[in-house]
Amino acid sequence: NAGVMQNPRHLVRRRGQEARLRCSPMKGHSHVYWYRQLPEEGLKFMVYLQKENIIDESGMPKERFSAEFPKEGPSILRIQQVVRGDSAAYFCASSPLGTTQQPQHFGDGTRLSIL
Amino acid sequence: DAKTTQPTSMDCAEGRAANLPCNHSTISGNEYVYWYRQIHSQGPQYIIHGLKNNETNEMASLIITEDRKSSTLILPHATLRDTAVYYCIVRIGGSQGNLIFGKGTKLSVKP
Repeated sequence: NAGVMQNPRHLVRRRGQEARLRCSPMKGHSHVYWYRQLPEEGLKFMVYLQKENIIDESGMPKERFSAEFPKEGPSILRIQQVVRGDSAAYFCASSPLGTTQQPQHFGDGTRLSIL
Repeated sequence: DAKTTQPTSMDCAEGRAANLPCNHSTISGNEYVYWYRQIHSQGPQYIIHGLKNNETNEMASLIITEDRKSSTLILPHATLRDTAVYYCIVRIGGSQGNLIFGKGTKLSVKP
């Protein structure tokens, strides 16, 4: 079974550009979670999505950040007009159901660097 | 979700058992104890989870005290590749999305 796939692994953007991060969940998983890890810090929850629905976006910055998980295709985390402070590792996780009895499985992340 | 307390760092000799403690004294009856680890620059790896009973899988054992206020993750025969940051997380039962990661324990396995 393929694990959670994230691409690109590394992404470099200049200030003001847009960044698009992709996440393909494990086969059979319809719940996707995005986390951000700033340098030397722990992971922080951003958003939880089920197919075509945002379930919990309490960790998302109010501006410039958006996420989607369409019926077909990967989940996308989009950051508009990036700033230096957006430099971080962004991790995606998936689970078959949205219950806490089942673990989330993580991808290896996208390292975003802002010049 | 209940707060967890873990030692900042621990050392373990290669081939010996690594016992990583976690305190979760405010845990509720329907909260699960989860363990993940993060090896440098990789995504968190799920290890094991439990509610009340002790659990064992191919990676580790999880021992939860009877009052559920603390738990211990046991890696029975630590190898150098087990060097990582280990996170103990409690999650409320039911439908809840996010995991709350603390600072974890930095485990260093030494030859």
